[in-house]
Amino acid sequence: TQLLEQSPQFLSIQEGENLTVYCNSSSVFSSLQWYRQEPGEGPVLLVTVVTGGEVKKLKRLTFQFGDARKDSSLHITAAQPGDTGLYLCAGGPNDYKLSFGAGTTVTVRA
Amino acid sequence: DAGITQSPRHKVTETGTPVTLRCHQTENHRYMYWYRQDPGHGLRLIHYSYGVKDTDKGEVSDGYSVSRSKTEDFLLTLESATSSQTSVYFCAISESMGSGVDEQFFGPGTRLTVL
Repeated sequence: TQLLEQSPQFLSIQEGENLTVYCNSSSVFSSLQWYRQEPGEGPVLLVTVVTGGEVKKLKRLTFQFGDARKDSSLHITAAQPGDTGLYLCAGGPNDYKLSFGAGTTVTVRA
Repeated sequence: DAGITQSPRHKVTETGTPVTLRCHQTENHRYMYWYRQDPGHGLRLIHYSYGVKDTDKGEVSDGYSVSRSKTEDFLLTLESATSSQTSVYFCAISESMGSGVDEQFFGPGTRLTVL
Protein backbone atom coordinates (compact mmCIF):
# COMPACT_ATOMS: atom_id res chain seq x y z
CA THR A 1 0.00 0.00 0.00
CA GLN A 2 1.36 3.37 -1.08
CA LEU A 3 1.63 5.96 1.67
CA LEU A 4 1.01 8.58 -1.00
CA GLU A 5 -1.76 8.00 -3.54
CA GLN A 6 -1.51 9.78 -6.86
CA SER A 7 -4.36 10.31 -9.29
CA PRO A 8 -4.97 9.83 -12.06
CA GLN A 9 -2.51 7.09 -12.94
CA PHE A 10 -2.52 8.08 -16.61
CA LEU A 11 -3.45 11.35 -18.31
CA SER A 12 -3.45 12.06 -22.03
CA ILE A 13 -4.36 15.52 -23.28
CA GLN A 14 -4.03 17.73 -26.33
CA GLU A 15 -1.45 20.48 -26.49
CA GLY A 16 -2.85 23.70 -25.03
CA GLU A 17 -5.17 22.03 -22.53
CA ASN A 18 -4.82 22.25 -18.77
CA LEU A 19 -4.28 19.35 -16.39
CA THR A 20 -4.16 18.65 -12.67
CA VAL A 21 -2.44 15.81 -10.86
CA TYR A 22 -3.27 14.98 -7.25
CA CYS A 23 -1.22 13.51 -4.43
CA ASN A 24 -3.06 12.44 -1.29
CA SER A 25 -2.17 10.80 2.02
CA SER A 26 -3.59 10.18 5.46
CA SER A 27 -0.22 11.15 6.92
CA VAL A 28 1.12 14.61 7.64
CA PHE A 29 4.39 15.52 5.95
CA SER A 30 6.89 18.16 6.91
CA SER A 31 7.58 18.76 3.23
CA LEU A 32 6.41 17.49 -0.12
CA GLN A 33 8.27 17.38 -3.38
CA TRP A 34 7.32 16.93 -7.01
CA TYR A 35 9.64 15.24 -9.49
CA ARG A 36 9.40 14.69 -13.23
CA GLN A 37 10.96 11.67 -14.87
CA GLU A 38 11.53 11.15 -18.58
CA PRO A 39 12.00 7.69 -20.13
CA GLY A 40 15.45 6.24 -19.46
CA GLU A 41 16.39 8.91 -16.95
CA GLY A 42 16.24 9.49 -13.22
CA PRO A 43 13.63 11.72 -11.57
CA VAL A 44 14.40 15.44 -11.52
CA LEU A 45 13.23 17.64 -8.69
CA LEU A 46 10.72 20.32 -9.74
CA VAL A 47 9.70 21.91 -6.46
CA THR A 48 9.55 21.53 -2.69
CA VAL A 49 6.66 22.86 -0.61
CA VAL A 50 6.94 23.05 3.16
CA THR A 51 4.13 25.26 4.52
CA GLY A 52 0.47 24.25 4.70
CA GLY A 53 -1.48 26.20 2.09
CA GLU A 54 1.66 27.14 0.21
CA VAL A 55 1.41 27.79 -3.53
CA LYS A 56 4.49 27.81 -5.76
CA LYS A 57 4.64 28.63 -9.45
CA LEU A 58 7.23 27.44 -11.90
CA LYS A 59 6.39 28.99 -15.29
CA ARG A 60 3.22 27.15 -16.38
CA LEU A 61 3.30 24.75 -13.41
CA THR A 62 1.49 25.57 -10.16
CA PHE A 63 2.05 23.48 -7.04
CA GLN A 64 -0.13 23.62 -3.95
CA PHE A 65 0.39 22.06 -0.52
CA GLY A 66 -2.81 21.34 1.42
CA ASP A 67 -3.54 23.28 4.58
CA ALA A 68 -3.18 20.13 6.68
CA ARG A 69 0.04 19.10 4.85
CA LYS A 70 -1.47 15.78 3.81
CA ASP A 71 -2.06 16.45 0.13
CA SER A 72 -0.76 18.37 -2.83
CA SER A 73 -1.66 19.16 -6.41
CA LEU A 74 0.22 20.00 -9.56
CA HIS A 75 -1.56 22.07 -12.21
CA ILE A 76 -0.15 22.63 -15.68
CA THR A 77 -1.58 25.44 -17.77
CA ALA A 78 -1.51 25.25 -21.56
CA ALA A 79 0.38 21.95 -21.61
CA GLN A 80 3.08 21.41 -24.21
CA PRO A 81 4.58 18.17 -25.57
CA GLY A 82 7.69 18.91 -23.51
CA ASP A 83 5.60 18.43 -20.36
CA THR A 84 5.22 14.74 -21.19
CA GLY A 85 6.66 12.50 -18.49
CA LEU A 86 6.09 10.65 -15.25
CA TYR A 87 5.24 12.99 -12.38
CA LEU A 88 6.06 11.75 -8.89
CA CYS A 89 5.20 13.24 -5.54
CA ALA A 90 7.27 12.45 -2.45
CA GLY A 91 6.63 13.28 1.17
CA GLY A 92 8.92 13.36 4.14
CA PRO A 93 11.37 13.23 5.53
CA ASN A 94 10.90 10.58 8.11
CA ASP A 95 14.28 9.50 9.48
CA TYR A 96 15.96 10.90 6.34
CA LYS A 97 13.63 8.91 4.07
CA LEU A 98 11.08 10.03 1.51
CA SER A 99 7.86 8.20 0.63
CA PHE A 100 7.04 8.26 -3.07
CA GLY A 101 3.72 7.98 -4.83
CA ALA A 102 3.35 5.53 -7.73
CA GLY A 103 3.35 8.38 -10.23
CA THR A 104 1.14 9.90 -12.92
CA THR A 105 2.09 9.36 -16.54
CA VAL A 106 1.27 12.50 -18.52
CA THR A 107 1.18 12.48 -22.31
CA VAL A 108 0.68 15.75 -24.17
CA ARG A 109 -0.22 15.23 -27.83
CA ALA A 110 0.88 17.80 -30.39
CA ASP B 1 23.08 18.60 -12.61
CA ALA B 2 24.17 16.80 -9.47
CA GLY B 3 27.29 14.70 -10.05
CA ILE B 4 25.91 11.20 -9.71
CA THR B 5 26.93 8.27 -11.86
CA GLN B 6 25.77 4.68 -11.79
CA SER B 7 27.51 1.65 -13.21
CA PRO B 8 26.75 -0.43 -15.07
CA ARG B 9 23.85 1.25 -16.86
CA HIS B 10 22.53 -2.06 -18.16
CA LYS B 11 23.13 -5.62 -17.01
CA VAL B 12 21.71 -9.00 -17.89
CA THR B 13 22.52 -11.83 -15.52
CA GLU B 14 21.33 -15.29 -14.62
CA THR B 15 19.42 -16.44 -11.58
CA GLY B 16 21.69 -17.29 -8.68
CA THR B 17 24.64 -15.12 -9.68
CA PRO B 18 25.91 -12.24 -7.52
CA VAL B 19 25.54 -8.72 -8.84
CA THR B 20 26.99 -5.44 -7.58
CA LEU B 21 25.77 -2.03 -8.68
CA ARG B 22 27.83 1.06 -8.00
CA CYS B 23 26.80 4.62 -7.28
CA HIS B 24 29.41 7.38 -7.31
CA GLN B 25 28.86 11.02 -6.32
CA THR B 26 31.06 14.08 -6.57
CA GLU B 27 28.83 16.32 -4.41
CA ASN B 28 30.14 15.20 -1.00
CA HIS B 29 26.53 14.72 0.18
CA ARG B 30 26.06 12.84 3.41
CA TYR B 31 23.00 10.74 2.53
CA MET B 32 22.80 8.15 -0.22
CA TYR B 33 19.90 5.91 -1.21
CA TRP B 34 19.14 2.92 -3.40
CA TYR B 35 15.66 2.58 -4.89
CA ARG B 36 14.04 0.19 -7.29
CA GLN B 37 11.35 1.29 -9.71
CA ASP B 38 8.73 -1.09 -11.04
CA PRO B 39 5.51 -0.35 -12.95
CA GLY B 40 2.66 0.51 -10.61
CA HIS B 41 4.91 0.75 -7.55
CA GLY B 42 6.79 3.98 -8.05
CA LEU B 43 10.10 4.23 -6.26
CA ARG B 44 10.67 1.89 -3.34
CA LEU B 45 13.57 2.33 -0.96
CA ILE B 46 15.94 -0.63 -0.65
CA HIS B 47 18.68 0.67 1.64
CA TYR B 48 20.11 4.02 2.58
CA SER B 49 23.23 5.45 4.17
CA TYR B 50 23.57 8.39 6.51
CA GLY B 51 27.36 8.37 6.56
CA VAL B 52 30.43 6.27 5.89
CA LYS B 53 29.79 2.74 7.17
CA ASP B 54 26.36 3.84 8.46
CA THR B 55 23.54 2.13 6.60
CA ASP B 56 19.98 1.05 7.28
CA LYS B 57 17.20 -0.93 5.63
CA GLY B 58 14.38 0.45 3.56
CA GLU B 59 11.00 -1.08 2.81
CA VAL B 60 12.22 -3.74 0.31
CA SER B 61 15.63 -4.76 1.64
CA ASP B 62 15.30 -8.56 1.54
CA GLY B 63 17.87 -10.10 -0.84
CA TYR B 64 19.99 -6.93 -0.96
CA SER B 65 23.01 -5.68 0.95
CA VAL B 66 24.92 -2.41 0.77
CA SER B 67 28.28 -0.98 1.70
CA ARG B 68 29.69 2.51 1.97
CA SER B 69 33.41 2.67 2.68
CA LYS B 70 33.86 6.16 1.24
CA THR B 71 31.62 9.22 1.16
CA GLU B 72 31.45 9.14 -2.62
CA ASP B 73 30.62 5.47 -3.22
CA PHE B 74 27.55 3.40 -2.29
CA LEU B 75 27.41 -0.20 -3.48
CA LEU B 76 24.30 -2.36 -3.80
CA THR B 77 24.82 -6.13 -3.90
CA LEU B 78 22.40 -8.85 -4.86
CA GLU B 79 24.03 -11.90 -3.28
CA SER B 80 22.07 -14.37 -5.41
CA ALA B 81 19.96 -12.67 -8.04
CA THR B 82 16.36 -13.78 -8.61
CA SER B 83 13.94 -12.95 -11.42
CA SER B 84 11.89 -10.82 -8.99
CA GLN B 85 14.87 -8.49 -8.76
CA THR B 86 14.56 -7.56 -12.42
CA SER B 87 14.00 -3.82 -12.19
CA VAL B 88 15.44 -0.38 -12.76
CA TYR B 89 17.65 0.70 -9.87
CA PHE B 90 18.21 4.32 -8.96
CA CYS B 91 20.74 5.85 -6.65
CA ALA B 92 19.97 9.18 -4.98
CA ILE B 93 21.85 11.62 -2.79
CA SER B 94 20.83 14.39 -0.44
CA GLU B 95 22.25 16.78 2.08
CA SER B 96 19.83 17.40 4.87
CA MET B 97 18.64 20.97 4.69
CA GLY B 98 17.05 20.93 8.10
CA SER B 99 13.55 22.16 8.84
CA GLY B 100 12.18 18.83 7.69
CA VAL B 101 13.24 19.29 4.07
CA ASP B 102 15.10 16.59 2.19
CA GLU B 103 15.59 17.15 -1.54
CA GLN B 104 17.01 14.17 -3.32
CA PHE B 105 18.99 14.09 -6.56
CA PHE B 106 18.93 10.97 -8.67
CA GLY B 107 21.38 9.14 -10.85
CA PRO B 108 20.53 7.93 -14.38
CA GLY B 109 19.56 4.42 -13.27
CA THR B 110 20.69 0.85 -13.93
CA ARG B 111 18.42 -1.53 -15.81
CA LEU B 112 18.94 -5.04 -14.44
CA THR B 113 17.46 -8.13 -16.03
CA VAL B 114 17.70 -11.46 -14.23
CA LEU B 115 16.98 -14.43 -16.50
